[in-house]
Amino acid sequence: GAGVSQSPRYKVAKRGQDVALRCDPISGHVSLFWYQQALGQGPEFLTYFQNEAQLDKSGLPSDRFFAERPEGSVSTLKIQRTQQEDSAVYLCASSLRDRGGYEQYFGPGTRLTVT
Amino acid sequence: GENVEQHPSTLSVQEGDSAVIKCTYSDSASNYFPWYKQELGKRPQLIIDIRSNVGEKKDQRIAVTLNKTAKHFSLHITETQPEDSAVYFCAASTSGSQGNLIFGKGTKLSVKP
Repeated sequence: GAGVSQSPRYKVAKRGQDVALRCDPISGHVSLFWYQQALGQGPEFLTYFQNEAQLDKSGLPSDRFFAERPEGSVSTLKIQRTQQEDSAVYLCASSLRDRGGYEQYFGPGTRLTVT
Repeated sequence: GENVEQHPSTLSVQEGDSAVIKCTYSDSASNYFPWYKQELGKRPQLIIDIRSNVGEKKDQRIAVTLNKTAKHFSLHITETQPEDSAVYFCAASTSGSQGNLIFGKGTKLSVKP
């Protein structure tokens, strides 16, 4: 079956531009996570959705970052007024259950480069 | 909050040798420990996981051990092959919570033919 997909795969933005990154989770998966992966580092948690509810946004680095999952499936991560430090790979992951301890399936990521 | 330390950051072995990667965690409430393999430019893929009610788990050439008292867990790969070359990440989470993973910084494994 289809795995987690993300688009675009690559995005180059000029500093100050807004960007929107899309995640299509595995159908029926309740949990959706966004992670940020800087070059040579492990993924870092940004935000968590249980169906359409954003239950945790403690990892979002600033109020320029905003995420939504309005119908409990597709999610969008939006970054306003991009800065160079936002350059990273943004990974989306989904999980079947509404709690931890279950496999998270990752998408291929969106590589964001801010120039 | 949880903190996961991973060592070594790079590991080079000859084909056929074993490789061991070690991680420690800080939060005693953590009870789920997955390992992910990430090839260059690809998505992280789960290779094995362990829960805190189990001390060891094995899947063919891959095994994971967990010492809950010492708060450390390790990945063991035997009979390494060139296709095992990748970056490996350990992670920890609490199964009673929403489950967001806290990752180590990764180990770049190179298997030389």
